[in-house]
Amino acid sequence: LAKTTQPISMDSYEGQEVNITCSHNNIATNDYITWYQQFPSQGPRFIIQGYKTKVTNEVASLFIPADRKSSTLSLPRVSLSDTAVYYCLVGDRGKLIFGQGTELSVKP
Amino acid sequence: EAGVAQSPRYKIIEKRQSVAFWCNPISGHATLYWYQQILGQGPKLLIQFQNNGVVDDSQLPKDRFSAERLKGVDSTLKIQPAKLEDSAVYLCASSFGGLDQPQHFGDGTRLSIL
Repeated sequence: LAKTTQPISMDSYEGQEVNITCSHNNIATNDYITWYQQFPSQGPRFIIQGYKTKVTNEVASLFIPADRKSSTLSLPRVSLSDTAVYYCLVGDRGKLIFGQGTELSVKP
Repeated sequence: EAGVAQSPRYKIIEKRQSVAFWCNPISGHATLYWYQQILGQGPKLLIQFQNNGVVDDSQLPKDRFSAERLKGVDSTLKIQPAKLEDSAVYLCASSFGGLDQPQHFGDGTRLSIL
């Protein structure tokens, strides 16, 4: 089974850019990398997904190096409402595996 | 677009009792997932359906957990008998299908075992 590794927690201040990295050494050729955000008492919410290089949407960017053994979620100019747990999801040969999550705390 | 609906939101039972959770996925989504999320951990996949067929149930404790998806739409997850370690949030998610399709989650059922 693939294992994903993320920092357990990160602190930031409003207006800063936050980068969260996920390691996934055993990612399979056809697997996608997906990031989710989760607030207390809610289900995870889809943020962004990519296969290689860079993907950008209205809320985040996802950077994936050529070897695809890691990925970095970039949140531009975070606000207090971005305080949440962020999960990296990698499909491993058909099995979907969440990382342990990174608890992001944004301070004023 | 209506999201994934789950019920009940909360359930408290005693160990060895049985319990059932219900999930109504987003209309048109062929794939349905059940996850178990223990406090402080990431969600763990229990079972995945494609329409009404099981794709992956390798992490489902089949001696006590069962799930079905009749007619390829709604799904029910049952635990019988419950153990203390089953205390968790049970999340349902759905997608159009395939690993490149993002999953949409419900807000889960929080189960407490006394």
